[in-house]
Amino acid sequence: DAGVTQSPTHLIKTRGQHVTLRCSPISGHKSVSWYQQVLGQGPQFIFQYYEKEERGRGNFPDRFSARQFPNYSSELNVNALLLGDSALYLCASSLYVVGAPDTFGSGTRLTIV
Amino acid sequence: GENVEQHPSTLSVQEGDSAVIKCTYSDSASNYFPWYKQELGKGPQLIIDIRSNVGEKKDQRIAVTLNKTAKHFSLHITETQPEDSAVYFCAAQEGGGADGLTFGKGTHLIIQP
Repeated sequence: DAGVTQSPTHLIKTRGQHVTLRCSPISGHKSVSWYQQVLGQGPQFIFQYYEKEERGRGNFPDRFSARQFPNYSSELNVNALLLGDSALYLCASSLYVVGAPDTFGSGTRLTIV
Repeated sequence: GENVEQHPSTLSVQEGDSAVIKCTYSDSASNYFPWYKQELGKGPQLIIDIRSNVGEKKDQRIAVTLNKTAKHFSLHITETQPEDSAVYFCAAQEGGGADGLTFGKGTHLIIQP
């Protein structure tokens, strides 16, 4: 079975640009969460979507937005990129909103120059 | 919000010895505590988890203990092997799940041959 797949794997953007990251959850998983992992730190929660609705939001500015599609795949959008947005962006999927463990993808490495 | 502290940041043990990683959390409403292993270039992989109604859980060489009164939980790895070398993260989640997982800063476990 395919795990959580994310694209692209690596991306280089310039300050001020916007970026769209994509995630396909494990088949049958209806919950998708996004995390930001800065080098040397633990992942930090950005969003959770379940059944196409936002169920949770972390402490990130409005430049960050996301959505979930009818097939449960998801996109994370970041506008007006800053140097500090350079990080590994991880997508995780689970069966439920709570009570089921998150399975993570390998992430998208975003570098802002 | 939840705050998770993890110690030590680096742990070096001889192959075959045991390793213990400790975490504390701040939110008494947290009731789900997973542990993740992250290897270089990969996303975090769930290795074991525990819920607040259980004090201890074992899976072969890995065990987790939880003390809800003291708000701390620990990961124990016995008979360590070279492939155990990685960064380990503890995490906590509040029952409603709206805030996602809150991760510790990670422990770099080094297994010396």
